Amino acid sequence: NAGVTQTPKFRVLKTGQSMTLLCAQDMNHEYMYWYRQDPGMGLRLIHYSVGEGTTAKGEVPDGYNVSRLKKQNFLLGLESAAPSQTSVYFCASNPRATYEQYFGPGTRLTVT
Amino acid sequence: KQEVTQIPAALSVPEGENLVLNCSFTDSAIYNLQWFRQDPGKGLTSLLLIQSSQREQTSGRLNASLDKSSGRSTLYIAASQPGDSATYLCAPLSGGYNKLIFGAGTRLAVHP
Repeated sequence: NAGVTQTPKFRVLKTGQSMTLLCAQDMNHEYMYWYRQDPGMGLRLIHYSVGEGTTAKGEVPDGYNVSRLKKQNFLLGLESAAPSQTSVYFCASNPRATYEQYFGPGTRLTVT
Repeated sequence: KQEVTQIPAALSVPEGENLVLNCSFTDSAIYNLQWFRQDPGKGLTSLLLIQSSQREQTSGRLNASLDKSSGRSTLYIAASQPGDSATYLCAPLSGGYNKLIFGAGTRLAVHP
């Protein structure tokens, strides 16, 4: 099993550009999550999904959209990137909400 | 709103020492608490998950305890090794049970 994978690993965007981050898991997990990690602030939840076709807002959802068209994939979109979205983005999944979360390796995004 | 504090923020010790990392949280209504390890530039690796009904959980040289009523958890690392050098994060699951709230972490350096 590959576990949780994220694409791409690194990306540099200019302000106003758009992009989509892809998260894939091969563990048949129902729940998937997107976090961002910033120095001194820990990880914060952006959006999450409790199953195929569902999404919900987390702690810092503004400026991001998500989709879960297939159970194994969770996409995070930035429609118009801003420098404040420079961060490391992590995806995670688990079979149920109260189970252990498994994390991907992260995507380092820089917006200039 | 759940707030998580980890003390100390950084720790440098010689190999072989026994260590205690502290985590405190403000809202005791948690479902469980997870401890993670993060190596520089990498994703998070789950170390231990303690359910709210448990007092402690052990895995190898790691032992985590939970006192939900006082809002505290500790991670005990026995006989530390240079390979234990990493940032350790605690995260209680609370707030509608879909949300892990992370502390800023303890950065540990174990030198030979």
